[in-house]
Amino acid sequence: GQNIDQPTEMTATEGAIVQINCTYQTSGFNGLFWYQQHAGEAPTFLSYNVLDGLEEKGRFSSFLSRSKGYSYLLLKELQMKDSASYLCAVRVLPSGGSYIPTFGRGTSLIVHP
Amino acid sequence: EAQVTQNPRYLITVTGKKLTVTCSQNMNHEYMSWYRQDPGLGLRQIYYSMNVEVTDKGDVPEGYKVSRKEKRNFPLILESPSPNQTSLYFCASSLSPASYEQYFGPGTRLTVT
Repeated sequence: GQNIDQPTEMTATEGAIVQINCTYQTSGFNGLFWYQQHAGEAPTFLSYNVLDGLEEKGRFSSFLSRSKGYSYLLLKELQMKDSASYLCAVRVLPSGGSYIPTFGRGTSLIVHP
Repeated sequence: EAQVTQNPRYLITVTGKKLTVTCSQNMNHEYMSWYRQDPGLGLRQIYYSMNVEVTDKGDVPEGYKVSRKEKRNFPLILESPSPNQTSLYFCASSLSPASYEQYFGPGTRLTVT
């Protein structure tokens, strides 16, 4: 199986930048995802990395280093609405025909004024 | 509007009373799956389906059944619910098993007493 580790909780100030790290151990790596989940709501897709490097999408960027088993999600110009849980998930090459993503436990980000 | 719907959104039931949680998507997606989310454990996949009449176990299938008779619907069945199945359940779909973006339903909060 996969072992995914991310911090449980982080706090940051409105307008600042925050980096949420995710480390993983797996074989047959086939992509890493980041999802955002507000309390009581469904997760929503943020980003997908399968190659090394940085993917930028507006205020959010995601980085991957496959050799280090490491990813981070960078949130810039933080807004109060960014207070949410951020889920890191890893997918491996299919065995038996399916890609089953494994999710980390999530990082709860609290943005304060 | 493209969406994944689940019903009911909230359910309180008693041990042993069979129940079904429905899931429907209107995006003509091939791949559908069920997750449960518990505090401190993250999202865990229960069952998935790669297409009509094709279903398979995820990481935590014990105590659950599914069926996929139509492409749009993927109900989750608890034949004899137990208190350890008290959880928040999410249905998700994606265009294909290899797609990187999953769309999640709004969630069903189930309490088994």
